[in-house]
Amino acid sequence: DMKVTQMPRYLIKRMGENVLLECGQDMSHETMYWYRQDPGLGLQLIYISYDVDSNSEGDIPKGYRVSRKKREHFSLILDSAKTNQTSVYFCASSQDRGNYAEQFFGPGTRLTVL
Amino acid sequence: QQKVQQSPESLTVSEGAMASLNCTFSDGTSNNFRWYRQHSAKGLEVLVSIFSDGEKEEGRFTAHLNRANLHVSLHIREPQPSDSAVYLCAVSNTNKVVFGTGTRLQVLP
Repeated sequence: DMKVTQMPRYLIKRMGENVLLECGQDMSHETMYWYRQDPGLGLQLIYISYDVDSNSEGDIPKGYRVSRKKREHFSLILDSAKTNQTSVYFCASSQDRGNYAEQFFGPGTRLTVL
Repeated sequence: QQKVQQSPESLTVSEGAMASLNCTFSDGTSNNFRWYRQHSAKGLEVLVSIFSDGEKEEGRFTAHLNRANLHVSLHIREPQPSDSAVYLCAVSNTNKVVFGTGTRLQVLP
């Protein structure tokens, strides 16, 4: 059963704390993504990873960093979280790296920064 | 920069009635279009992908693409209460994928 998993599903942090969001996929996909979804703004791309240690900024990378040390895992890190980073974060993966590739999404992590 | 807009923002239909959702885009060179469904507290699942003008059917879901009119639609035949969700369109060109903000569909029994 092909799937993308995300942990944790819900997280509450205080402003200034560090946040680690984890994503895993079992499809051996090379390309992985992190998005955030906010009301009225749709999905916004934060970072994209083309393989281990091959990461590129998306449209809104400021305040975030990523780590990909294994093909099946992709982490999103918020160093010193801010209240405006309260959002739902989605991880996705795709077999191909192009913009036309079908992306498979995880269930999301709802992050609240107080 | 690509603009993707969906309408209506919300839609309520009765079980069994056709549901029609719309998506307009601004870049006429876009050539890859997908419709996703997002249930509450769940990720996105792809329903149908379409790459050329005309229609593409996947079960009860049919996408219609008219690139000249910068428009792609999704029609859901015989919708069921379990189809209640947010529907997102995703439009791709050579540079990037842009997602719409979604249409919230409610199907009443």
